[in-house]
Amino acid sequence: ETGVTQSPTHLIKTRGQQVTLRCSSQSGHNTVSWYQQALGQGPQFIFQYYREEENGRGNFPPRFSGLQFPNYSSELNVNALELDDSALYLCASSFGQESTEAFFGQGTRLTVV
Amino acid sequence: AQSVTQLDSQVPVFEEAPVELRCNYSSSVSVYLFWYVQYPNQGLQLLLKYLSGSTLVKGINGFEAEFNKSQTSFHLRKPSVHISDTAEYFCAVTPGAGRRALTFGSGTRLQVQP
Repeated sequence: ETGVTQSPTHLIKTRGQQVTLRCSSQSGHNTVSWYQQALGQGPQFIFQYYREEENGRGNFPPRFSGLQFPNYSSELNVNALELDDSALYLCASSFGQESTEAFFGQGTRLTVV
Repeated sequence: AQSVTQLDSQVPVFEEAPVELRCNYSSSVSVYLFWYVQYPNQGLQLLLKYLSGSTLVKGINGFEAEFNKSQTSFHLRKPSVHISDTAEYFCAVTPGAGRRALTFGSGTRLQVQP
């Protein structure tokens, strides 16, 4: 049974560019949540996908968008990058939108310069 | 909406000493409570969770936490820490019903010294 994997592990982008981060959920999990963790802070909920549909969103602007694919893997897209988007982006997978067992990946460290 | 306050940003402690990491929460609905640990350059690992029942919850690595509804607290304890416990610890809550979106505190850095 594989865990949650995220790619890439690190990347550097320029302000104004667009970025796509990827997450493969744990085997059998149909729900993926994305979190942003700024330096020195706790993770903040971006949005959740359940069976390919967005199933709730935190306080993030529309330039943060996502997808979930039939195999339940997921992408997070961020357009028009800003310096404040620099953070660790964490993906968590679970079975069912009401599951209390969320498994986190190691994250993608995004630096915007 | 929910919020979580971790009262200490850093907790230095000597090896084999006991430790308590404090967490208070606010919510207008019933919540489930969690503690996660984050080692450097890694994701989050679940230490323990409170859903219902006994207010004393035991987790991995010898950690335990006590849910206190009247004080809206969920403090994490370990009777004897090891160097390997050095990490960032996050308290989190989620609504007791519906979609599970975790609300995290700002974290407590546990620094275990020899």
